[in-house]
Amino acid sequence: KQEVTQIPAALSVPEGENLVLNCSFTDSAIYNLQWFRQDPGKGLTSLLLIQSSQREQTSGRLNASLDKSSGRSTLYIAASQPGDSATYLCAVNVLPGTYKYIFGTGTRLKVLA
Amino acid sequence: AAGVIQSPRHLIKEKRETATLKCYPIPRHDTVYWYQQGPGQDPQFLISFYEKMQSDKGSIPDRFSAQQFSDYHSELNMSSLELGDSALYFCASSPQRAEQFFGPGTRLTVL
Repeated sequence: KQEVTQIPAALSVPEGENLVLNCSFTDSAIYNLQWFRQDPGKGLTSLLLIQSSQREQTSGRLNASLDKSSGRSTLYIAASQPGDSATYLCAVNVLPGTYKYIFGTGTRLKVLA
Repeated sequence: AAGVIQSPRHLIKEKRETATLKCYPIPRHDTVYWYQQGPGQDPQFLISFYEKMQSDKGSIPDRFSAQQFSDYHSELNMSSLELGDSALYFCASSPQRAEQFFGPGTRLTVL
């Protein structure tokens, strides 16, 4: 059974720091991995999607990497800003099957001004 | 670009009442997924449909049922509501089981 874990569960950093969020999954048979951002009580905003054949994806200050063999992904946020404060979730498609997402436990990020 | 539409956005019901949540996928997306996110929890998969047929079922109570219609929109029907059903319900759609695009969610409060 696929399990997805995110470390740390919470993180508080001063503005301007570069930071790394970690996502681990137990079964490497995934189709893709997606990172989301969620503000309190709000919906899921897709940040980056990494296909299983890819190693990394970049969008602005965000860079996500994927190492399927070790069951890990990292989300790198450069020059953090207070507006980055949110919960970050990773999710993996389950293979074989219907490609439903299994979500990680999330990392609550707070960037202090 | 068109996004996934969910209605209503907010819903308040009493215990033992019935609720219907609707999801309108992005045009030409053939797969719909439903997820439930309880307070302080990560989203949990409920059920999915591919080409109007149920394709997978997760931790969905027997009190819940869902279907996908000929125009690909989907409805989640919830009966005999319980306090524990209070949650944010997300619908997602994808083209041929690829990247999932999430709707804004329906917040259900059961009193």
